[in-house]
Amino acid sequence: ETGVTQSPTHLIKTRGQQVTLRCSSQSGHNTVSWYQQALGQGPQFIFQYYREEENGRGNFPPRFSGLQFPNYSSELNVNALELDDSALYLCASSSGGESSYNEQFFGPGTRLTVL
Amino acid sequence: GNSVTQMEGPVTLSEEAFLTINCTYTATGYPSLFWYVQYPGEGLQLLLKATKADDKGSNKGFEATYRKETTSFHLEKGSVQVSDSAVYFCALSAQYGNKLVFGAGTILRVKS
Repeated sequence: ETGVTQSPTHLIKTRGQQVTLRCSSQSGHNTVSWYQQALGQGPQFIFQYYREEENGRGNFPPRFSGLQFPNYSSELNVNALELDDSALYLCASSSGGESSYNEQFFGPGTRLTVL
Repeated sequence: GNSVTQMEGPVTLSEEAFLTINCTYTATGYPSLFWYVQYPGEGLQLLLKATKADDKGSNKGFEATYRKETTSFHLEKGSVQVSDSAVYFCALSAQYGNKLVFGAGTILRVKS
């Protein structure tokens, strides 16, 4: 069984650019959640996708957008990058949609640096 | 809104010492509670969880009890090892919805 994978591992962009981060969910999981973890802080929920539909969003502006594909993999897109977007972006997959009892399995993250 | 507060670190202990990391939460309804661990350079791993009041989660010698009366979920281990050095995050998931709310994390350093 393959775990959650994310690509790329590291990324350096300049302010104003756009970036796409990718996540492959664990086999059998239909739900993907994205989190932003700034240095020295806990992860903050960005949004969740369940069966290709957005299923909840945290306090992030619309320039953060996402997609989920029929195979349940997912993309996180960030437009008009700002310096404060520098962070570790974590993807987590789970099964069952809204059940709070389903464990979320995290990928290793993508480290984004905005210069 | 829902929130989690955990003790600030870093916490530095000698090997075989007793560990407590405090965690309190604010939430409506009956959240599920979790402890995640993040080793250097790695993603988050679920350490233990509890889904209702008075439940005790346990794993790898770590324990935490869901105390609704004190809205707490403190992490304990009787004898820490150097390999336990990591960042520990307390988190909750609201009754409906699988979105996790995390605390700021506590760095644990164990010296041999």
